[in-house]
Amino acid sequence: NAGVTQTPKFRILKIGQSMTLQCTQDMNHNYMYWYRQDPGMGLKLIYYSVGAGITDKGEVPNGYNVSRSTTEDFPLRLELAAPSQTSVYFCASSPQTMNTEAFFGQGTRLTVV
Amino acid sequence: GQNIDQPTEMTATEGAIVQINCTYQTSGFNGLFWYQQHAGEAPTFLSYNVLDGLEEKGRFSSFLSRSKGYSYLLLKELQMKDSASYLCAVNRGSTLGRLYFGRGTQLTVWP
Repeated sequence: NAGVTQTPKFRILKIGQSMTLQCTQDMNHNYMYWYRQDPGMGLKLIYYSVGAGITDKGEVPNGYNVSRSTTEDFPLRLELAAPSQTSVYFCASSPQTMNTEAFFGQGTRLTVV
Repeated sequence: GQNIDQPTEMTATEGAIVQINCTYQTSGFNGLFWYQQHAGEAPTFLSYNVLDGLEEKGRFSSFLSRSKGYSYLLLKELQMKDSASYLCAVNRGSTLGRLYFGRGTQLTVWP
């Protein structure tokens, strides 16, 4: 019963470095999402996917890229990391989007210095 | 922003009842979720409302009024473990997957 698995749990990046946040789910869900959560704030949608090969921008996509080559995996790529990208990143999945719950991974705490 | 408003903080005592309100813009509304998030952990699903009225699930209930752009989460028989942030989230618009979250209400339950 792995659910949604995110790696790494913690990471410190220097300004200008790049990295990929990994997310995989074993529930055969079509919908997957990436959110960021800043202290004292709600979750902001970065990108989402409605199935393999299909992705779309959310509220705050700038500075990020995603791909969805398989149903299970939805990696988030940060190019040229900036201090403004210091946040906690959550990946989530759901069978469908309109009336079903989303299952969240445990989060990746990223600090850019 | 998406104008989803919740109180920032609330406190209550064990055994009490607390109501957490959420107001939102009604345009493009497709449903409202409540999630619970303990400190340092991932959000977990509590409830979903798409029609007007009250949905009851054990100690937790959620109410929705679509015309007023208003929802509340009612927690009964509070326990210490209910201390957490409660997130109101609205599914809005014709584009699937766009779930917008409020900032969350930090509830502290005192013994």
